[in-house]
Amino acid sequence: EPEVTQTPSHQVTQMGQEVILRCVPISNHLYFYWYRQILGQKVEFLVSFYNNEISEKSEIFDDQFSVERPDGSNFTLKIRSTKLEDSAMYFCASSRDGQETQYFGPGTRLLVL
Amino acid sequence: DAKTTQPTSMDCAEGRAANLPCNHSTISGNEYVYWYRQIHSQGPQYIIHGLKNNETNEMASLIITEDRKSSTLILPHATLRDTAVYYCIVRATSMNRDDKIIFGKGTRLHILP
Repeated sequence: EPEVTQTPSHQVTQMGQEVILRCVPISNHLYFYWYRQILGQKVEFLVSFYNNEISEKSEIFDDQFSVERPDGSNFTLKIRSTKLEDSAMYFCASSRDGQETQYFGPGTRLLVL
Repeated sequence: DAKTTQPTSMDCAEGRAANLPCNHSTISGNEYVYWYRQIHSQGPQYIIHGLKNNETNEMASLIITEDRKSSTLILPHATLRDTAVYYCIVRATSMNRDDKIIFGKGTRLHILP
């Protein structure tokens, strides 16, 4: 069964560094999402992406964040100048179209020191 | 904010049916009820969804009341691997837009040996 994959599974970085989190959505899906979950808190929406542009973003998704689909398979989340409070699990999700079920990847655990 | 109300936690004996309730009294006519679960440190896993009729798949059954103001997720024969946080989510699926998922705190289900 097709599934969303994410790399790396764990990332440790120093405060102020840039990180890129990678996702490979399910192959025939057209809508892509990033969510994050700070330890012990709810899963929060960050951004949705369709047709090579952002379709919606939350208040969390400020200028520090960017997303890109650099090729036909990868979907990336870049966090510039990381802060301690960016430490969280980051989940990628995809859906065939905007109305359909979103399927989530296993997540990347980001730790900012 | 999430538009659903769920108990904070529940216990269920292994091998018994786990019945997880959800209230969504303000649900609109075009909103589906979705259930996801999150096993510790993993990504949210889609379980089932429905609009008006009861639904069943290989994982679970979803019973939606006639007025659609509440629903119950049924895991027919719970196993220890079903221990997770279960999220009941109301989600509009309008044409021409992609709809983010708004997660609440969910129900923490403990399956007891």
